[in-house]
Amino acid sequence: DQQVKQNSPSLSVQEGRISILNCDYTNSMFDYFLWYKKYPAEGPTFLISISSIKDKNEDGRFTVFLNKSAKHLSLHIVPSQPGDSAVYFCAASGGSGTYKYIFGTGTRLKVLA
Amino acid sequence: DAGVIQSPRHEVTEMGQEVTLRCKPISGHNSLFWYRQTMMRGLELLIYFNNNVPIDDSGMPEDRFSAKMPNASFSTLKIQPSEPRDSAVYFCASRLGLAGNTDTQYFGPGTRLTVL
Repeated sequence: DQQVKQNSPSLSVQEGRISILNCDYTNSMFDYFLWYKKYPAEGPTFLISISSIKDKNEDGRFTVFLNKSAKHLSLHIVPSQPGDSAVYFCAASGGSGTYKYIFGTGTRLKVLA
Repeated sequence: DAGVIQSPRHEVTEMGQEVTLRCKPISGHNSLFWYRQTMMRGLELLIYFNNNVPIDDSGMPEDRFSAKMPNASFSTLKIQPSEPRDSAVYFCASRLGLAGNTDTQYFGPGTRLTVL
């Protein structure tokens, strides 16, 4: 059973517009959430994280929002750039497996020039 | 720092053969993780080590899979015998420690395994 779900396998956005990537989770014990970005033929790289005590975390063009009641988080990229084209993985940890990251299946973002 | 190093980058083998994947974590990192990436299941955690000791191998799919970490700078993931359904990209990641959940995991470039 997938505890972390990314229901959109792909997303296309025009350069300069906002990209919104979504992630849902089922385990209420998760208290730390991350986004990783992955380019082809490379390993995932850490992008941004958020603790459950917050509902928003910003880092430059990237903002992660957390809605604990809905068990939902989203990554906003504004403005989107062609170099942002990659696969984005959502991950969660917490509870008894604090140091284990549970990853979603990923969303492939394509930013069109 | 060179980051997490994995070898080989690509491996093509025939069903029934033994496959060994290798990983060198970032120097000074005490925790090491093996993941498998497939289209259907995304990134799955197979096993992780802390201070060279396996902590949780509940993600290892079958007895055909085994992992070792003989020292702080080297780990192997072995599949014997390999099957076509093992075809995937295998990632190794390392992290400073296991305390708390805010330390970042750093991933290697992965090994793309194809079992014919």
